[in-house]
Amino acid sequence: GESVGLHLPTLSVQEGDNSIINCAYSNSASDYFIWYKQESGKGPQFIIDIRSNMDKRQGQRVTVLLNKTVKHLSLQIAATQPGDSAVYFCAENTGGFKTIFGAGTRLFVKA
Amino acid sequence: NAGVTQTPKFQVLKTGQSMTLQCAQDMNHEYMSWYRQDPGMGLRLIHYSVGAGITDQGEVPNGYNVSRSTTEDFPLRLLSAAPSQTSVYFCASSLGDRGANVLTFGAGSRLTVL
Repeated sequence: GESVGLHLPTLSVQEGDNSIINCAYSNSASDYFIWYKQESGKGPQFIIDIRSNMDKRQGQRVTVLLNKTVKHLSLQIAATQPGDSAVYFCAENTGGFKTIFGAGTRLFVKA
Repeated sequence: NAGVTQTPKFQVLKTGQSMTLQCAQDMNHEYMSWYRQDPGMGLRLIHYSVGAGITDQGEVPNGYNVSRSTTEDFPLRLLSAAPSQTSVYFCASSLGDRGANVLTFGAGSRLTVL
C-alpha cells in the first residue's frame, strides 16, 4: 500500500543507468538469500536468489553479489527502466523454513 | 490459476474486536506463512506452517493465532484487536524447500484498528 515504506532508504536513478541496491544481513549462519520486488499496492515478488556457496549470480538485467565476509548483499539492475520503480527487499534463510526480511530500499527511476 | 488469495482486502476494527484474515492457495504448497508490514519495518514473520496440522511461531506471534486444517487454507485470527496491530498483512506460500524457500505472496490485507 501507499503508506508502507514511508521511511525507507531511497535510491533515485536516471532511466537507462545502472542501479545498485545494498543490504546487510544479520545472521552469519544464513545460507540462502533472496531479493524481492514490491510494487505499490501489491505483495512482494521473487527476483533472484543466491546460495552461500556462490558469490555472484546473474539473471535477466539483474545480478546479485554476496560477500559473506562482511555479511553484505547487493542487487544490481542494468539499464534501469521506469517499471523497476518499487521497494526492494533482501531476505535470508538459515537452513530452515523461516525467511527473515530486511527493511527494504525504495527505488525511484527518473524518466 | 489464482495463486495466493487473501480476504478481506481492507478491514476496520474497533479495539477489542476479533476477526479472521483468510488465506487460500491453489498451488498445493506445503509451506504457508503470515507477515505483517509496517512503515520502515520491512516484513516481519508472525506464524508459519510446514504442512496441515503443523504451525510454529515467527518473530512477532503475540496477539495472533493460526491453524492449518487443510493444505490450502491458513487463516490468521486476531482474538482481541489492538491499535498496535494496525498494519498490512501478507500471506505467503511455497513448496517448502528447507533452506531454499521462495515465497509467493498474496496481494495483502490492510487492517486498521481504532
